[in-house]
Order: sequence, then C-alpha cells, then structure tokens
Amino acid sequence: TQLLEQSPQFLSIQEGENLTVYCNSSSVFSSLQWYRQEPGEGPVLLVTVVTGGEVKKLKRLTFQFGDARKDSSLHITAAQPGDTGLYLCAGVWGNNRLAFGKGNQVVVIP
Amino acid sequence: DSGVTQTPKHLITATGQRVTLRCSPRSGDLSVYWYQQSLDQGLQFLIQYYNGEERAKGNILERFSAQQFPDLHSELNLSSLELGDSALYFCASRFGSANTGELFFGEGSRLTVL
Repeated sequence: TQLLEQSPQFLSIQEGENLTVYCNSSSVFSSLQWYRQEPGEGPVLLVTVVTGGEVKKLKRLTFQFGDARKDSSLHITAAQPGDTGLYLCAGVWGNNRLAFGKGNQVVVIP
Repeated sequence: DSGVTQTPKHLITATGQRVTLRCSPRSGDLSVYWYQQSLDQGLQFLIQYYNGEERAKGNILERFSAQQFPDLHSELNLSSLELGDSALYFCASRFGSANTGELFFGEGSRLTVL
C-alpha cells in the first residue's frame, strides 16, 4: 500500500492546455514536496509546502497543500513541451520519515 | 547538475552476481540516501547514512548493504542478484540528517539483471 497516491498515473495533453495532477493520502504531513524527474535524470525539487491551505506559484505551475495537510495538487497553465516529465510528490510524516508517491507522468505534445 | 555523482551509469549483470554502486554526495552534504526506482513500486527508500553512521533504514533487502566512508562517499552493495533487482538506483544527499529541505539526486545507476 502506497502512503501517497498520485493520480492520474499518466496524462497526455496538447501544448497550451491546462492540467492538474493530484497527490492524496490518509496521513497528515508536516510538509510536502514536489519534484520533477526527466528521462535519464534524477528528481529535482520544484517546491515545498508546509502550511495547510498554502498555495505556491512557480511561473505557470501552481501548487496547493490541502487544508488538512493530507493532499496536494499541481496545476500547470498553458503547458509546454518542456513541462514533460514525471512529477513526484514526497511527504514528511510521523517520526520525520519521508515517503514518495509513484508519480504523475505528464507528456505535453507540441 | 545536482553535484551528486553516481557510477556506473549503466550496469548489466547476471543473476547470482554481486555489484557495487558508488555515490559521491554534493560538497558539504553529510547525509546520503539510497533509493530504488522501478515502474511498479516507484521511488522506494532503501537506507540513509549521516556522517558515516547509518541513520535510517527503509525497504532494504538483506542481500543489499551500504556504507558511508570517512570522505562521505557511499557505496551500495547488491549481492545474489535476482531478475527483480533490475531497477534504477538513485543516490541523494543533503546537508542535515532530518528530512527537511531539498534532496539533491544523482542521475542514477541503471541496473539490468539478466
């Protein structure tokens, strides 16, 4: 059983469209991070959210942490081919433990 | 470039064999983490070392072992390899021992067991 469930697992959209992916859990997290992983590379941190209800923006990417700190979403506006990648959420929970979800594979078609 | 270096990048070996994966953390980072990534399991935490000492253990098999040396580089040893051990193995580093702040990942070592 995965602590963090990410959905959808795979998403393919046309350039210019918007998309939202989700990271859900029944556990409460003290913080949650989003990483992006491109083929042949390791994950790279995009953002860390700490406060319930927090919204952070990184150019066309908007990250939201749920009020109860159990879930998060990533919204991409006007997606570009450079947004293609595996988006991983990672939560810190319990006794300072870190767990990753399986990821949302996003493909943006030019 | 994350500053974390992993070797080798690719490795093909046979079942029953033993391999060693090497990781040099980012300069100044004391914590080294090892992760296994496969399509069905995602990114699974194996083990963490902090300044030469084992700090936390995850889903690491008994056939696997790791260590961190005085110069802070780390090695992950995989023995009695099975087909199911084929995966991407990532090393990551950070300065502190706690799970706060950014994890810096290497490019990974792709292991194929035939």
